[in-house]
Parts: sequence; C-alpha cells; structure tokens
Amino acid sequence: DAGVIQSPRHEVTEMGQEVTLRCKPISGHNSLFWYRQTMMRGLELLIYFNNNVPIDDSGMPEDRFSAKMPNASFSTLKIQPSEPRDSAVYFCASSPGGLSTFGSGTRLTVV
Amino acid sequence: AQSVTQLGSHVSVSEGALVLLRCNYSSSVPPYLFWYVQYPNQGLQLLLKYTTGATLVKGINGFEAEFKKSETSFHLTKPSAHMSDAAEYFCAVTLGGWRGGNKLTFGTGTQLKVEL
Repeated sequence: DAGVIQSPRHEVTEMGQEVTLRCKPISGHNSLFWYRQTMMRGLELLIYFNNNVPIDDSGMPEDRFSAKMPNASFSTLKIQPSEPRDSAVYFCASSPGGLSTFGSGTRLTVV
Repeated sequence: AQSVTQLGSHVSVSEGALVLLRCNYSSSVPPYLFWYVQYPNQGLQLLLKYTTGATLVKGINGFEAEFKKSETSFHLTKPSAHMSDAAEYFCAVTLGGWRGGNKLTFGTGTQLKVEL
C-alpha cells in the first residue's frame, strides 16, 4: 500500500491566491482527516469526513477554508483567498475506523 | 472535552541515557492514548498506543509508555537513547472507543535532542 498520498509536497503562493491541497487516502479507509501544524498552535484538526460526508468542521478557521471529499479516494482542502498566516504544514490522515495513518504533509508558504 | 499536556517543549539527553517524555491527559471518558514521532520534514509515525488492557504498552524502536489512570499520565520512556531518536514527539488522545471518528487531540510536542 502506498499509504496516504498528499500533493503537492511544497506550495509557495502569493497572498490572495487560491490554494488547493490534495489527499488520496488509503483504500478501504472510511474516515479522512485534515490537520494543520504551526509553531504557534501545534497540530490542530480542521475537519474530518466519514464515508465521504463531513462530520465535524468546527476546526476550520474561517470561511476562506473549504474541504470536499467527492469520492472515497480523493479529498481537497481549498483556501481562497490565501493569507500569510495560513502558512503551515497541512496533514491528511485516513483511518479504517481505528488508527489513523498520516500523509507526509504539504508545506504551504503564503508570501 | 479532551486535552493533553506535554511538559517540556525541549528535552536533551546523552546517548545511552534514559529518555523520559511526559504527557498528562484530561478526558471525561476513558481515553485512548497515543505517542507519535515526527522526523524533520516528514509526517507523523505511530510509536505506540493504549486502548484497553495492559497499562504498559511497548512500541517500536524500543519505546514504551505506561497508562496511569490515578495520575492521568502516559509518559514515554526508552532505557537507552540513540542518536536516531532525535525527533519531535507528540502525545495524543481520543475518546474512549473509536467514537468521535477517531479525532485526535495532540499535545504541543516535545523536541528530543540526543547528544554524544
């Protein structure tokens, strides 16, 4: 199994631009999570899906952030418009209902 | 509500010395507890977990942790540190059982430095 695959690994964008982060969960995993890691706030859960349905998005910082899971093998996290304070490492994780497996993350820099 | 507190954002030990990373939790229901390790520019890797049963759990790379309900603690230990153990370590908690979609609440992390 290739594990949880995130793309891109690194993203540098200008303030105001739209950014889309992508995640392919492990096949057969029915839960998917988006986390954000920053020096100031550590690891925070942004949103999670169960069977492609968003269950809890209380961690999404504001309306500029949106996440979708159109099918069981793909999810996106979109930031529009991006701001410098969105700079962080964004992790996707998937779970079959128990332990989560994490992707390698996307390092986002907004300048 | 659930939370974890990791005492000490940076810990430095000599190679061969005992590693002790502290984690205390708060949970309104029996918790499931985890330790993850993150190497530079990499994702999180599970070291070990406690769900139910034996309170002393062994993980990969010689690490172990003991769940102490009376102390609400889940400290991570390793008898002898190796240079390759240098990384950031995260304690995490989720609600007892795999309810809540296995949402993990993480501590702020402890950076472990291993010196010669």
